[in-house]
Amino acid sequence: GAVVSQHPSWVICKSGTSVKIECRSLDFQATTMFWYRQFPKQSLMLMATSNEGSKATYEQGVEKDKFLINHASLTLSTLTVTSAHPEDSSFYICSTLEGNEDEQFFGPGTRLTVL
Amino acid sequence: AQTVTQSQPEMSVQEAETVTLSCTYDTSESNYYLFWYKQPPSRQMILVIRQEAYKQQNATENRFSVNFQKAAKSFSLKISDSQLGDTAMYFCAFIGSSNTGKLIFGQGTTLQVKP
Repeated sequence: GAVVSQHPSWVICKSGTSVKIECRSLDFQATTMFWYRQFPKQSLMLMATSNEGSKATYEQGVEKDKFLINHASLTLSTLTVTSAHPEDSSFYICSTLEGNEDEQFFGPGTRLTVL
Repeated sequence: AQTVTQSQPEMSVQEAETVTLSCTYDTSESNYYLFWYKQPPSRQMILVIRQEAYKQQNATENRFSVNFQKAAKSFSLKISDSQLGDTAMYFCAFIGSSNTGKLIFGQGTTLQVKP
C-alpha cells in the first residue's frame, strides 16, 4: 500500500503561536488527502478534505481560519494550526486515497502539545 | 446520515483464545465498503481487513475474519488465536459510494490481550 509520512511527529509550542504539520505521500501522487484529529482513547474525527490545487473542504464545526490547509503539490499537504491554544492539543493524522478510492493509507500522526 | 456504532468500549481476551468485536452501521446506500482498522500504542492506523458490500463471502485475512450480515447491517471482527501484539484499539469504518472517499469511523473498541 501507499506510504505516507508526517512531520514533525511531535511538537510542543507556546499558546498563541502557529504550528505547521506536513503530510507527504512518498510513493504516489495524491490528489486527495484527509486530515483527522484524535483525542486520547477516542475515535478519529475528520477535519477536512484536502484537494490538490483547490481549496480544502472543511467538516461542519471546524474553523477554516484556524486550521489552514494547503495542498499545493501532489505529494504534500500541510495543516497549519494558527494561534494555537491548549485546547488544540491533540493527535493529528493525515491520510491519502489510492487506487480505486476506497481505501485510505494513514500517516503516523503528529502529537501537538500547546502550553 | 451514515453512522457506525461500536458498542463495546473495552474488551479483553486471553492469549490464544478467540474474540469477536461488534460493529453495526446505518446507510441507505447499496454499494459501500467496510473496514476494520487497528491502532496499536504507536497510534499508527493499520488496515486489518476490508469487505465490499456486494460480495456475499466474508473476508478473511489469516487470523482475522469478519461476519458480514448485510440485511442486519452488522460487520463483526473475529480474531482467532489472539496474540499479545493484537492489543490495540480497533475501529470499524465505512465508505459509501457517494462519500468521495471519506471514512466514517465507529467509536472504537480497546482490546487487551492477556498473557
